[in-house]
Amino acid sequence: GAVVSQHPSRVICKSGTSVKIECRSLDFQATTMFWYRQFPKQSLMLMATSNEGSKATYEQGVEKDKFLINHASLTLSTLTVTSAHPEDSSFYICSASGSSGSRETQYFGPGTRLLVL
Amino acid sequence: AQTVTQSQPEMSVQEAETVTLSCTYDTSESDYYLFWYKQPPSRQMILVIRQEAYKQQNATENRFSVNFQKAAKSFSLKISDSQLGDAAMYFCAYRSLDMNRDDKIIFGKGTRLHILP
Repeated sequence: GAVVSQHPSRVICKSGTSVKIECRSLDFQATTMFWYRQFPKQSLMLMATSNEGSKATYEQGVEKDKFLINHASLTLSTLTVTSAHPEDSSFYICSASGSSGSRETQYFGPGTRLLVL
Repeated sequence: AQTVTQSQPEMSVQEAETVTLSCTYDTSESDYYLFWYKQPPSRQMILVIRQEAYKQQNATENRFSVNFQKAAKSFSLKISDSQLGDAAMYFCAYRSLDMNRDDKIIFGKGTRLHILP
């Protein structure tokens, strides 16, 4: 099946710093990528949807200036948490759906655990 | 708006036995996809099975099968011959076929499945 990678897998940073998380589709072209946030023992909460070459669409309540999303190519999307604070600590997951074959299915990255001190 | 409901927060099953996880959804659309995703302790989301709403035949993937009842808006997952590796959080999910909905997936809150040795 389609493979999606995320980097880093975990990151610890100081409050006030910015953190960039990369999401890559390794064997297919991802026309659409999604960013989720997951709190412990809860479901995935969609933060934003990004289509290659256009601005991301953010879900209600998600600060677009706080969570910057770039989808510059068909294989790479980045999420930058700007001026991170302890309340931003969470598990962030990306997913991708592609133009080749499985457009109807989202394939998920392994997630990034962010801890802000 | 579409909703997905998983009424069983946790379930347990004896190894080698069969278990059924429940899922209901609400939609006014006639064409859509339904999914079951598995999230093991590693937190990697894994696609278990997918069902197209226009198909009457229930999807099957090895030990995993679904009971899709479109009129009742029910989509249960049956796991046969349960194995220790099946222990995970299972999410039921819905995806519209409406091109304006940006491929978004709506997740249920999940059911945590325990396998008893």
